[in-house]
This record gives sequence, structure tokens and C-alpha cells, in this order.
Amino acid sequence: EADIYQTPRYLVIGTGKKITLECSQTMGHDKMYWYQQDPGMELHLIHYSYGVNSTEKGDLSSESTVSRIRTEHFPLTLESARPSHTSQYLCASSSLHGYTFGSGTRLTVV
Amino acid sequence: QKEVEQNSGPLSVPEGAIASLNCTYSDRGSQSFFWYRQYSGKSPELIMSIYSNGDKEDGRFTAQLNKASQYVSLLIRDSQPSDSATYLCAVAAAAAGNKLTFGGGTRVLVKP
Repeated sequence: EADIYQTPRYLVIGTGKKITLECSQTMGHDKMYWYQQDPGMELHLIHYSYGVNSTEKGDLSSESTVSRIRTEHFPLTLESARPSHTSQYLCASSSLHGYTFGSGTRLTVV
Repeated sequence: QKEVEQNSGPLSVPEGAIASLNCTYSDRGSQSFFWYRQYSGKSPELIMSIYSNGDKEDGRFTAQLNKASQYVSLLIRDSQPSDSATYLCAVAAAAAGNKLTFGGGTRVLVKP
């Protein structure tokens, strides 16, 4: 049973729209991450957080932004969506025993 | 050179055979090693973790770690068609805040 939840599961949106992808976890983990993954391709870390009010950019440059106001919540925002943002976005949280991933949001920008 | 390297495959294995997956890493300070399985269109799920040299077995899976050679492997015994997936090797170092670095994954195809 998943303890990390992402919504929406699928999103099709027009160019220029502002979107927020939601990610919540109930495990009390301090560390949370956002990855971007195109079909059949590698995972790319775009943002991470080690706790409330702590956010860092990942290895892959992204036009998205994140916030961490509460431990359990780590939303990702795109101010103006473009077709190049079409991808799958995966949220994860971690303990010493590894990462737990959410089900992902598949974003299509038309 | 990538920090975590895997052969992209596909690794084609007959049903019932052993699938052997390899992973090398560059950071000698790495301390934690993980294998994730990812089905097409799904998110990765943790199947094995290993922290010390040697073998660790869990059901049909065996992880092997050799820190001196900077090498970690995964064996899947009695491979089943349901094992067909991409297997991701991930490595963490305390110096990096235990942030995982993922390899590109090895695609495994188990043929009936």
C-alpha cells in the first residue's frame, strides 16, 4: 500500500497554463525528491528537500519550482507549461532503507 | 564517465534461467546500494538493498556487493515472464546526504 501519493495521475493541459503537481507522504520522512523521466529513459533529479523550508535544485535544470512548507507535502509548480515539459514526474521520499516512489504524474502539454 | 553504470540491455533470458545484472559505481565513499524494479509506465519499486560486502538473498533475488571493485550485481533465479522490467541500480554516499544516484537501468526480457 502506497504511503506516498501523487495527484493528478494524468494531466493534459494547454501551453501557457500554470500547473501544480501534488505530492504527499504519511511516513514522516524529512527527505523528499522530484524526478523527471521520459519513456524508456533515465530518471533525472530535478528538485529535492531535506526538510521544511529547505529546497535544492537537482542535477537536471528545470523551469519548475517547489516548496516545502509542511513535512508531508512537496508540491511542484510550473508557472507556464510548454510542450517541452511533457514527461512523467515522480515524487519520492526516503529513509535510511531507501526511497519510496509515488505512482507518478504523466503530464502532457499541448 | 557516469557515476553509476549499467548495461542498458535488453537482457534476454529464457523462463526458468538465471538473470545476472551488473552495476559499477565511481564514488568509493558509497555506502548504501539498492536495486529497483520498474515496469513500463510505472514507478520504481525497491526490491533489494545491500550495505556490506558479500551476498544478500531475498527469495529469488540475490544482491552481491564488492566495494573493492566498486561493483554490485543482482541475480534473479528461476526467472519468470513477470520479471520482465527495467532494473535500476542506485547508490548513496553519506557525503552526498545519502541522496541516491541512479544508473540508467537494464531492461530484462524473460521469454516463455
